[in-house]
Parts: sequence; structure tokens; C-alpha cells
Amino acid sequence: ILNVEQSPQSLHVQEGDSTNFTCSFPSSNFYALHWYRWETAKSPEALFVMTLNGDEKKKGRISATLNTKEGYSYLYIKGSQPEDSATYLCAFSNDYKLSFGAGTTVTVRA
Amino acid sequence: NAGVMQNPRHLVRRRGQEARLRCSPMKGHSHVYWYRQLPEEGLKFMVYLQKENIIDESGMPKERFSAEFPKEGPSILRIQQVVRGDSAAYFCASSPEQGNSPLHFGNGTRLTVT
Repeated sequence: ILNVEQSPQSLHVQEGDSTNFTCSFPSSNFYALHWYRWETAKSPEALFVMTLNGDEKKKGRISATLNTKEGYSYLYIKGSQPEDSATYLCAFSNDYKLSFGAGTTVTVRA
Repeated sequence: NAGVMQNPRHLVRRRGQEARLRCSPMKGHSHVYWYRQLPEEGLKFMVYLQKENIIDESGMPKERFSAEFPKEGPSILRIQQVVRGDSAAYFCASSPEQGNSPLHFGNGTRLTVT
């Protein structure tokens, strides 16, 4: 069992504010780190797949960083909007098998 | 371009019955994964299949659960003699290749055992 921890479990953000949250994972046997966005009543949707230490990826107002040596990744949301409300899942891969964290649920208040 | 299709969306079974969950991967995807989400928990890996082969079923309970991905047709997750503890959301995902490809998820099947 691979422990993937996400923190915090939930957070509330005022519209327009920026926020970030973390994913920690085992630093050994690293293959890739995935981020998914999961809106209520929909299916998880891939945001990023990161493989190299120091990787930074960006998609619109959402970005992520990766530190494989210490085993953590940050996801940043800049200028949060109500449509950013979702659960954000990270998943650690040691080849094909993804071990998911429990997610961080973000609620953006207008 | 249809995404990953799962059916049924909701399935109600009485204890002791069989549940069959179907998953059609995205066109061109030959790798299928099944995950289970228990209430208040995250997604837990169950099984990874390629066409006609089970690659890794380490996350599946040893008894009552089986999965297949035949040459033709959808992948099937089968749960025999269901018990209340099997009530969960079951998600299927597919990818075009093993490795760093992101997974494409279906909308899940919510199984309720009464």
C-alpha cells in the first residue's frame, strides 16, 4: 500500500483569491505524479502528469510543481473562480498502478 | 469521440445476487483499470487489464470478484454473491498505453446492495 497524503482535506476560498495545497508521496520508486480535477456528478479529469524532479506545469490559472527527492507536489490556483470548485486528486505512479490520495475539496465563494 | 462509457450508472442488488459492471474504454485505448470508491474514502486500485489479459489484480478481493477484458466487447467487473460491504462507486479508466499517459475515467457505476 503506497501512502499518498493530501492536505488540507478541504478549503474555502474567496473568489479572486489564490490558493495552494499539497500532495505528499513516497520518494522511492517514483515514476510519475498525476493531478486530477473531479467535479460533483462528473468523472475525474486529468490536469497534469509530472515525471521529472523540478517539473512545473501550467494550465490556465492552475499550475503544479514537483519535488521527487522530498516527495511532494503543490497545486496552485491563481485568482480562484466559482468554476474551480471541485475535488483535486493527486495520484502516485510506480509504473502503471496509480495510488490516489483522498483529495482536497476546494469551494470558491462568490 | 465518445469517452469511457460505463453502465449501468446505478445498480441495486439484493444480498447474494450477482452484479455485472460494464466499461467500454475510449476508442484506441487498450488498457483498462478498475477503481473502487468506498464511502468517505478515495479511489482504490482494483485491477489492470489489457485486451484478453489481466496484468495486475492485486487490489481485488480474492473471492467473489473477477474481471475480464475480452477481445471484443467491453470490460466486465463481476461481483458474485454481493454483500452490503460491496456497496460503493466503481470507476473504470482507460489509457492508450502503459506508463505516463493520463487516465480517462468513466462516470462510474454506483452499486447499492440491500
